[in-house]
Amino acid sequence: EAQVTQNPRYLITVTGKKLTVTCSQNMNHEYMSWYRQDPGLGLRQIYYSMNVEVTDKGDVPEGYKVSRKEKRNFPLILESPSPNQTSLYFCASRSTGRSSYNEQFFGPGTRLTVL
Amino acid sequence: GEDVEQSLFLSVREGDSSVINCTYTDSSSTYLYWYKQEPGAGLQLLTYIFSNMDMKQDQRLTVLLNKKDKHLSLRIADTQTGDSAIYFCAEGDAGNKLTFGGGTRVLVKP
Repeated sequence: EAQVTQNPRYLITVTGKKLTVTCSQNMNHEYMSWYRQDPGLGLRQIYYSMNVEVTDKGDVPEGYKVSRKEKRNFPLILESPSPNQTSLYFCASRSTGRSSYNEQFFGPGTRLTVL
Repeated sequence: GEDVEQSLFLSVREGDSSVINCTYTDSSSTYLYWYKQEPGAGLQLLTYIFSNMDMKQDQRLTVLLNKKDKHLSLRIADTQTGDSAIYFCAEGDAGNKLTFGGGTRVLVKP
């Protein structure tokens, strides 16, 4: 089944304790992206990657890091989480082919609480 | 930068039509999308429209695009309880970066 998976689905942590949220896709997509969802603000892009070893900042990158060492994986790293990073996080992927509307496929989300 | 606006909430009776509205600012948008998010789930693409189209119909869904006014709407005919969800409007630029609206929570009452 074609899908985007994220782990963990739920996480409660404390300020300053480094954490990683994993994201994996099995569709051989070049493009991957991380979003955070906050009430009334919709989804805002944190970082994205056009391909292996190619990453770039989105609209709200502060406090986050990413890496893209393999095509299928795109982990999100919070080196020193703070309470304002409490949010619902989504990973997404899509093909970069020009022949379609390039639908983005979303993972199920990771709910993070930073105390 | 780009901005996408939606109303926060819509209540509708089962069997009626729902209309969700969205405005955007980026005149270079290539595609406009409607996503649905059910409780505890990720986003699911409902439908999309290319920016040079005025209307697209897909079963119970009708998308209208007024490019001059940068206004997009989603009409759901014969709304069912399973249509209760948050609906996000999004616009995609030439690089296919998506900018999302804040989401409209639709509540369908029996």
